[in-house]
Parts: sequence; C-alpha cells; structure tokens
Amino acid sequence: GQQVMQIPQYQHVQEGEDFTTYCNSSTTLSNIQWYKQRPGGHPVFLIQLVKSGEVKKQKRLTFQFGEAKKNSSLHITATQTTDVGTYFCAGSPSYDKVIFGPGTSLSVIP
Amino acid sequence: GAVVSQHPSRVICKSGTSVKIECRSLDFQATTMFWYRQFPKKSLMLMATSNEGSKATYEQGVEKDKFLINHASLTLSTLTVTSAHPEDSSFYICSARGWGNEQFFGPGTRLTVL
Repeated sequence: GQQVMQIPQYQHVQEGEDFTTYCNSSTTLSNIQWYKQRPGGHPVFLIQLVKSGEVKKQKRLTFQFGEAKKNSSLHITATQTTDVGTYFCAGSPSYDKVIFGPGTSLSVIP
Repeated sequence: GAVVSQHPSRVICKSGTSVKIECRSLDFQATTMFWYRQFPKKSLMLMATSNEGSKATYEQGVEKDKFLINHASLTLSTLTVTSAHPEDSSFYICSARGWGNEQFFGPGTRLTVL
C-alpha cells in the first residue's frame, strides 16, 4: 500500500545547530503538508507544498518539495528550545487521502 | 488558523460501556472531518473519514460497528466507541479539513478504559 516514511525517527541537537527531517513517499503526491506536535499537544499545521521543486520559508524553517513530488524536507536553521516537538509530514496521493509519516522527534539541548 | 474543539478532553470509563467524543469546527464549516488514533510517541493512525450527510469511510482494520461516526452537521462530528475495552484506551484526535486541504486538529481526547 501507499506509505510515507520519515527519517530520522529521533534527533537530538545542541541549541543553535541546524536540523533536517526527510520525508519520502512510495507514490507521487499531489501535495505534502507539514505539522508540528509539541509534547502533550496536538498537531498544528505548518505549511502545504503543491508544486514540483517548490521551496517555502517561514522564518528559520525551510520546506522543500522534490522535483518528482515523492519527497520533501524540513530544515530548521539555528534551532531554539521552542523548536522541540515532533514534526510530521503528511502526503496526499489524492485530494481525499492523507497519509501521515511516522514523525521525527526533535530534542534541543540548551 | 481555524479552531477545532473536542469534548471531552479526558474520559475514564468501565469496560463494556460506550463513550461519545465530539469534534466541532468553531469558526468554519467542515464538510470533511477525520478521526485519528495516536499511541504514545507514535504517529497518527487514520481511523476514518467523516463526510457531512453521508456514511463515514473507514480505514482497513477499523471496525465500523465498534467506532460509530456521525457527521450530523457542517460543524459537528461524533465518534462513539461502543462496548469499550482496555485495548481501546488511547488518544483520539479529530481534524477538520480547511479550504486549502490543510487539516486543523482538535486538542484530542484521552480515553482510559478500566
């Protein structure tokens, strides 16, 4: 079946270091979304990417959608303790279907 | 972003009883809502897609007679866990689809079945 994978599963970084999580789909996606879930909280929508090769930035966060629309990445520059949480990608092979990746849990050491 | 509420936030029940969880979109109309289950430190497992005015679409392996979903209006979907057992204990989260296909999540319901 259709799968969305994410690596790494866990990442521990020193505050100020960069962080990247990668998302890969077994099938071509119509769009991909990224969510952040803080410990004890619920997922919060960050962004949606639709176009092949698209790059979007939100302050220190950079999101990329691959040319083949099967992979994506989220890069955080100079991490802060407020970045702690689990980052999920969610791929849509079709409009009515969303498949969440397993998430990457980020810990930031002050 | 849009606001989605869930009620109750926590519920503890005895084995064999039924529990209803409500999901409401507070400031927008949602024709589609989703119900997820999340185990500790795990990803979101989609249980079903709830469409206003029609039957829910259940994911493979999810018992529709056990997890009853009703989407009675454009702002309300309910999930009823019938004859709950300890293995049903989990974190249940709903989401409502926004205008751009993004999902707005509720705060979740922690269900504990004794």
